[in-house]
Amino acid sequence: NAGVTQTPKFRILKIGQSMTLQCTQDMNHNYMYWYRQDPGMGLKLIYYSVGAGITDKGEVPNGYNVSRSTTEDFPLRLELAAPSQTSVYFCASSWIAGGGETQYFGPGTRLLVL
Amino acid sequence: DQQVKQNSPSLSVQEGRISILNCDYTNSMFDYFLWYKKYPAEGPTFLISISSIKDKNEDGRFTVFLNKSAKHLSLHIVPSQPGDSAVYFCAASDIGDTGKLIFGQGTTLQVKP
Repeated sequence: NAGVTQTPKFRILKIGQSMTLQCTQDMNHNYMYWYRQDPGMGLKLIYYSVGAGITDKGEVPNGYNVSRSTTEDFPLRLELAAPSQTSVYFCASSWIAGGGETQYFGPGTRLLVL
Repeated sequence: DQQVKQNSPSLSVQEGRISILNCDYTNSMFDYFLWYKKYPAEGPTFLISISSIKDKNEDGRFTVFLNKSAKHLSLHIVPSQPGDSAVYFCAASDIGDTGKLIFGQGTTLQVKP
């Protein structure tokens, strides 16, 4: 049982390039989330999904897109990378909304945009 | 507008003593509160939580206290151990809002041997 896995661990992008951050969970969780963490800050929600085919914006969605074609996978797409997107990205999943240890996090993807 | 605030960026305590980490929130709709612990280069891991219908929840060395009237919660670690050194995030959720978590900025705890 791997939990939540994220790839890549680290990536350097040039301004204007695109990339997809991968996230997979093997716990059959319905809910999945993408957060970013900037230095000295808490995690901010980018996008979330309550099930396959259903996604919605979080607090900081601009510059990102997501899709959820399966229960297991929730990729995050950056179309035109900007220096402001330099951050650490965490994917999380949960079985139910609210209560207890609701969200399980992946190890993160560190992204540097130059 | 920061709905969840951790006003102390860092805390240093001696091994064996109590660590107290604080968190304030502004949104009265929050009804579930969680603490996460994060080591460098790892994702946050769940530590302990409390529902708004309680004022205390205990799990081993960790206790969370909730003061709803003051919109304040705290995490007590007794006794503190060097392995507790990490960043601690307070988070809050409105259970009716798809489980989205609002995180504080984090407090870095250093426990000295």
